Amino acid sequence: DGGITQSPKYLFRKEGQNVTLSCEQNLNHDAMYWYRQDPGQGLRLIYYSQIVNDFQKGDIAEGYSVSREKKESFPLTVTSAQKNPTAFYLCASSIDPPTGFVYGYTFGSGTRLTVV
Amino acid sequence: GDSVTQMEGPVTLSEEACLTINCTYTATGYPSLFWYVQYPGEGLQLLLKATKADDKGSNKGFEATYRKETTSFHLEKGSVQVSDSAVYFCALWGPNDYKLSFGAGTTVTVRA
Repeated sequence: DGGITQSPKYLFRKEGQNVTLSCEQNLNHDAMYWYRQDPGQGLRLIYYSQIVNDFQKGDIAEGYSVSREKKESFPLTVTSAQKNPTAFYLCASSIDPPTGFVYGYTFGSGTRLTVV
Repeated sequence: GDSVTQMEGPVTLSEEACLTINCTYTATGYPSLFWYVQYPGEGLQLLLKATKADDKGSNKGFEATYRKETTSFHLEKGSVQVSDSAVYFCALWGPNDYKLSFGAGTTVTVRA
């Protein structure tokens, strides 16, 4: 079955470390997105990519980086510059903007990142 | 820009009670409207959607009608179960948008 796979489910980071969260989809979707969710809060957009080898900053990109070398993959790196990285991270994909209007997003199951 | 405002929670109900979560939107043109549900520790799942005015989306006993006159898309269920305990997000996708715009989410707890 097609879907989005996020790994790992739980991740622990030491102060000053960079960590990379994986997001892979086999839905043949063009667009991919990363969101951050804090406890009891809504979703905040970190980065998005509408096509391979292209991505744009969202509302809270500082301290994060991404790459989109393959259509299937959109990894998120949380750098040491992100001072408060403890959160739940969600990856999503959409066919393309015109079709997203009809179908919306498919989400992964999330990665919970904790600073120790 | 496009935005969604949904009822603040948390909402606590008894089993078999009626649930309504209000959602209103501001958008240029005629957006598509969505409700997503997030169960504890999981990602979001599409619950229902409507792509044009007067459309009614329905799934798992939940319903929402796209009301252009009142710019609303309220979520309703006539008889909730404990398994409906979750966070519910209203969202819209405008005609010229590249992404969904989400409301803040409403936490619903159903007690047996």
